[in-house]
Amino acid sequence: SQKIEQNSEALNIQEGKTATLTCNYTNYSPAYLQWYRQDPGRGPVFLLLIRENEKEKRKERLKVTFDTTLKQSLFHITASQPADSATYLCALPSGGYNKLIFGAGTRLAVHP
Amino acid sequence: DTAVSQTPKYLVTQMGNDKSIKCEQNLGHDTMYWYKQDSKKFLKIMFSYNNKELIINETVPNRFSPKSPDKAHLNLHINSLELGDSAVYFCASSQEWQLDNSPLHFGNGTRLTVT
Repeated sequence: SQKIEQNSEALNIQEGKTATLTCNYTNYSPAYLQWYRQDPGRGPVFLLLIRENEKEKRKERLKVTFDTTLKQSLFHITASQPADSATYLCALPSGGYNKLIFGAGTRLAVHP
Repeated sequence: DTAVSQTPKYLVTQMGNDKSIKCEQNLGHDTMYWYKQDSKKFLKIMFSYNNKELIINETVPNRFSPKSPDKAHLNLHINSLELGDSAVYFCASSQEWQLDNSPLHFGNGTRLTVT
């Protein structure tokens, strides 16, 4: 079955730098991949979706890439701010277009 | 206005009890879900309803029973609660049942603690 691996260690970076988070999957390449942000005590919030035929997607300071050869998606936040501190979850479909599985997420801490 | 709202936010109960969690969405979405987030932070799908019909039923003990009285509501009833049921339960909705163009909108979760 499909599995998602995200770096379980927290990523600590300085304000203004670019944060890069990794999402690796183990089996077949999914038709799309989604990224969510989760703050403590809150539900995940959708950020970006990238399809298998798209190499890159951007939204303001966010950029997502999708490499089906490496079975990997990278999530970048440029000019990071302390307000970007949160856990970022990668999700992809498994067993149908309606069933999303999630990685455990990577916690990002942006320090002033 | 809260798009997906769950009640209660916290639920502490004893083993063996029966409890319910309610969920309502005001987004006009057709599909609703229950996800469970365990202590290791993995979000796992439990159920999915589309237009009040069950379309996903993962390997969940039959002590868990979802009920969708209408498209805007999806409640979760849990019988004979066990210690292992302690987790955060998230309700979510999506505009369409196919998620390739329709992301999930989550509620803020119900933290269930079974003692």
